[in-house]
Amino acid sequence: QLQLQESGPGLVKPSETLSLTCTLSGGSITSSGYYWGWIRQPPGKGLEWIGTMYYTGTTYYNSSLKSRVTISVDTSKDHFFSLKLTSVTAADTAVYYCARVVPEPAALLDYWGQGTLVTVSS
Amino acid sequence: VLTQSPGTLSLSPGERVILSCRASQSVSSNYLAWYQQKPGQAPRLLIYGASSRATGIPDRFSGSGSGTDFTLIISRLEPEDFAVYYCQQYDPPAWTFGQGTKVEIK
Repeated sequence: QLQLQESGPGLVKPSETLSLTCTLSGGSITSSGYYWGWIRQPPGKGLEWIGTMYYTGTTYYNSSLKSRVTISVDTSKDHFFSLKLTSVTAADTAVYYCARVVPEPAALLDYWGQGTLVTVSS
Repeated sequence: VLTQSPGTLSLSPGERVILSCRASQSVSSNYLAWYQQKPGQAPRLLIYGASSRATGIPDRFSGSGSGTDFTLIISRLEPEDFAVYYCQQYDPPAWTFGQGTKVEIK
């Protein structure tokens, strides 16, 4: 059974970089046909897609965040992928989820981490 | 853009629930999914491909629709169904969620 777990600092200062890691158990980043993504949810609000990556390095980002986001993987460590979000503000305070992304044939996110709250504050 | 309605539903166990998700542009049925989220938990996939139930989802949940109008129906509310429900579309390569409908106990 695939499980995902987010980890990283729970508090980030304004203007600094938010860095999170998603760790897989029971599966591999290099599984063919599966993408891996990050989604966030500000407190009391809805879900926002941040970006998606394939293990080959192909990435897609939300246009509203594209200038500040990097999702990456070290394929030598095929159980991890990461998120970096630069120049954070209070508006980036949210629960951040990693998820397995299945774009075809039916687009769905079938496995999610439990989420990690990141607060942006000085 | 996905618009869900209503924003909140106050219902009693045993009632039938109809949730709406309307897209601003036509969506391939393959690319429309529904999720359930309970407080403090990650979203859980309920329906994909507009009408297919995910693994382990009870048959009281059903999805339908095409084009710009999609519906999630819960035939008979159980106590564990009180939650927020989100629809999701995939417009390659971007993913978008509706703002959610909260189903609360009346």
